[in-house]
Amino acid sequence: NAGVTQTPKFQVLKTGQSMTLQCAQDMNHEYMSWYRQDPGMGLRLIHYSVGAGITDQGEVPNGYNVSRSTTEDFPLRLLSAAPSQTSVYFCASGHQPQHFGDGTRLSIL
Amino acid sequence: KQEVTQIPAALSVPEGENLVLNCSFTDSAIYNLQWFRQDPGKGLTSLLLIQSSQREQTSGRLNASLDKSSGRSTLYIAASQPGDSATYLCAVPFMESNSGYALNFGKGTSLLVTP
Repeated sequence: NAGVTQTPKFQVLKTGQSMTLQCAQDMNHEYMSWYRQDPGMGLRLIHYSVGAGITDQGEVPNGYNVSRSTTEDFPLRLLSAAPSQTSVYFCASGHQPQHFGDGTRLSIL
Repeated sequence: KQEVTQIPAALSVPEGENLVLNCSFTDSAIYNLQWFRQDPGKGLTSLLLIQSSQREQTSGRLNASLDKSSGRSTLYIAASQPGDSATYLCAVPFMESNSGYALNFGKGTSLLVTP
């Protein structure tokens, strides 16, 4: 019953560092997406994908890269972390309904 | 751009009350609407998905309705309990294209049910 698994659960970075947030799903879903959740802003879409090799930008894509090499995995990369990227990040998979992971809480100092 | 609004932003009720949470959206050309629950520090749990053809969905004490023509959905919670305390989010499709499917969220209603 794994569903959508996100790692790590917590991370602290320094400005300028890079890292990858991992997301894996075991439900054979084609659709996967990344969101960030900030106080007062709600959940906003970063990137999304319909399958291996196909991705597109959402509402707030700047500073983030994605690639989709397998159906199961959809990693989110921060190339040069900035304090404005401090947030809770959620990965989701599926189509009507979408299923969410437990999130990664990221702090950029 | 689709705007999703949830009113009220916060709500406090005594245990046992029936309550209604509201969600409105600006683009009525949606084909579904999904309600979620989020507990503090946790992820999102899907509660109900309403297809535009269904107009209503029920799960236990929860009932969600959808009126596309007026751009509104309501989540009705019967006989509220302290365990219902959480933030409730509604979401509509962001877009569906060759690139994928994702959601556009409201900011949520924070519900507190007091014993």
